[in-house]
Amino acid sequence: QQQVKQSPQSLIVQKGGISIINCAYENTAFDYFPWYQQFPGKGPALLIAIRPDVSEKKEGRFTISFNKSAKQFSLHIMDSQPGDSATYFCAASGYSGAGSYQLTFGKGTKLSVIP
Amino acid sequence: KAGVTQTPRYLIKTRGQQVTLSCSPISGHRSVSWYQQTPGQGLQFLFEYFSETQRNKGNFPGRFSGRQFSNSRSEMNVSTLELGDSALYLCASSTGETGTQYFGPGTRLLVL
Repeated sequence: QQQVKQSPQSLIVQKGGISIINCAYENTAFDYFPWYQQFPGKGPALLIAIRPDVSEKKEGRFTISFNKSAKQFSLHIMDSQPGDSATYFCAASGYSGAGSYQLTFGKGTKLSVIP
Repeated sequence: KAGVTQTPRYLIKTRGQQVTLSCSPISGHRSVSWYQQTPGQGLQFLFEYFSETQRNKGNFPGRFSGRQFSNSRSEMNVSTLELGDSALYLCASSTGETGTQYFGPGTRLLVL
């Protein structure tokens, strides 16, 4: 079965620090790698995404690093703030046939940013 | 544009009952995917509908079914509810031509 492995399960970071979450995938057919942020009681919100033709993408304080040969990608949150405290999910998507793009999710990382 | 809406937001049912959840996608989006989120299993894909046709299905029993209407709104039905069906059910909207999906707030289902 297609899998995306995410680590760590939980992360505590000091305000102003860098939060790093890692993911690894197995299926080389995956061609789209989004990260979602989820607050309690809310649905996941698309944060940032990357395709394998680039090694890095930055949007504000959020950066995705992508290593195609290692089949790994990571999310870096610079200058982490208490408002970033949430659960983060990595995901991978590839063509599933019949025009369908199915997202396969990691198990999530609960980030706590302490003042 | 308005986001993805899901109704109801909360539901309490008893074992053996059935339930129907509703999802309205972002205007112009033709694809609706459904996911089940639980603390133990995380986010798991249920199925995807595009232009009223189911074009992908996850590994869930036949008690889980869905449909999509001509206006792209989708409903998901779970029959003969089991305690293990307690979860957050999420609907995601997409144009259907890329992997980018936008999630609704979810329906929290509690089965007693």
